[in-house]
Amino acid sequence: NAGVTQTPKFQVLKTGQSMTLQCAQDMNHNSMYWYRQDPGMGLRLIYYSASEGTTDKGEVPNGYNVSRLNKREFSLRLESAAPSQTSVYFCASGGAWDTEAFFGQGTRLTVV
Amino acid sequence: LAKTTQPISMDSYEGQEVNITCSHNNIATNDYITWYQQFPSQGPRFIIQGYKTKVTNEVASLFIPADRKSSTLSLPRVSLSDTAVYYCLVGDINNNDMRFGAGTRLTVKP
Repeated sequence: NAGVTQTPKFQVLKTGQSMTLQCAQDMNHNSMYWYRQDPGMGLRLIYYSASEGTTDKGEVPNGYNVSRLNKREFSLRLESAAPSQTSVYFCASGGAWDTEAFFGQGTRLTVV
Repeated sequence: LAKTTQPISMDSYEGQEVNITCSHNNIATNDYITWYQQFPSQGPRFIIQGYKTKVTNEVASLFIPADRKSSTLSLPRVSLSDTAVYYCLVGDINNNDMRFGAGTRLTVKP
């Protein structure tokens, strides 16, 4: 049972480049989330998806887009990367508040 | 969304019981209280969840007073491996907007 799988694990981008972070879950959860975590800080919610076909903005959505491709997959896209987007990105899935959320291992992104 | 307030950091020693309190004065009727643990370089991991009174599982207890304006996570007999950041989350079961605050950094010393 893989749980939540994120790819890639590490990435270095140049300012202005674009990339897509992939996330897939095999637990049949409706809800999926993208967070970023800067060094020494808590997690901040970028976007979430309550179900297939729906997405909503979180605390820090600017500079990001998401796609809920199907129930399993939720991708995060940086259209034009900026150094301020250097962070660790976590994907999570869970059944909303009455069940626990499961997190991926994270993607460490550096924008130079 | 209910705002939560936790201590930034706490220190303890091995074998002691640790209690971390979270304040959530504007908690709503449909809100649940959930705690997560995060080790360095890992994603958070669910610890415990409750609505009212007391909940206990194999790793922790969660105490919620009748007014539900605060909650206390209790870790019995901590060890060095319990050194981590602990997050208190409060949210409506009908709202998937799940936000973490800054958390409490617990350091367990030998």
